[in-house]
Amino acid sequence: EVQLLESGGSLVQPGGSLRLSCAASGFTFSSYAMNWVRQAPGKGLEWVSGISGFGGNTYYADSVKGRFTISRDNSKNLLYLQINSLRAEDTALYFCAKDFTIVTPSAFDVWGQGTMVTVSS
Amino acid sequence: SYVLTQPPSVSVAPGKTASITCEGNDIGGEGVHWYQHKPGQAPVLVMYNHGDRPSGIPERFSGSYSGNTAALSITRVEVGDEADYYCQVWDSSIDRAVFGGGTKLTVL
Repeated sequence: EVQLLESGGSLVQPGGSLRLSCAASGFTFSSYAMNWVRQAPGKGLEWVSGISGFGGNTYYADSVKGRFTISRDNSKNLLYLQINSLRAEDTALYFCAKDFTIVTPSAFDVWGQGTMVTVSS
Repeated sequence: SYVLTQPPSVSVAPGKTASITCEGNDIGGEGVHWYQHKPGQAPVLVMYNHGDRPSGIPERFSGSYSGNTAALSITRVEVGDEADYYCQVWDSSIDRAVFGGGTKLTVL
């Protein structure tokens, strides 16, 4: 069974940092691009970042570029999101999502349950 | 940047057909994907590349587009179809994924 399990979310002060992880199982991890998508409380889905199957291409939303870094460890089937300089507007449920394709993100066919990041003093 | 516009809400009676629209400039040239999202659950891909249905998604779900508008149709709507629905494209001109604002489907 294809599964994604996020972890690492917590309550963080503004300006702080956090690393989110996503453990993948049930598929050949390196054969697919991966993404992070977030949902702020009461809001819609917002794509945050994507990474190609071998990690050579990364993509970011303008709202997080320069503060967030996506990476992956294909030997461990893990996806990461390093979040720096956190702001109140980064408060959201962060989902890990598997892509259909290997290089450029397209459609997200498997999602995790999400991990909550709360930015507050 | 590319903008996808969805109606905030759509209401339909059980057994009827629901149509959820997604408007974007030259949307036919993009591959539009649709997600169903129920509270407390992971989103589910219900349609990709306008009209392709992932395995496990009922044939009651179909997708289409015309001009600048894509649409997700659900025939013989059930109470279990009540959810938020989002359209999404990959904007290859700026290498960003874009979601529509979402449509809350209410089954009366």
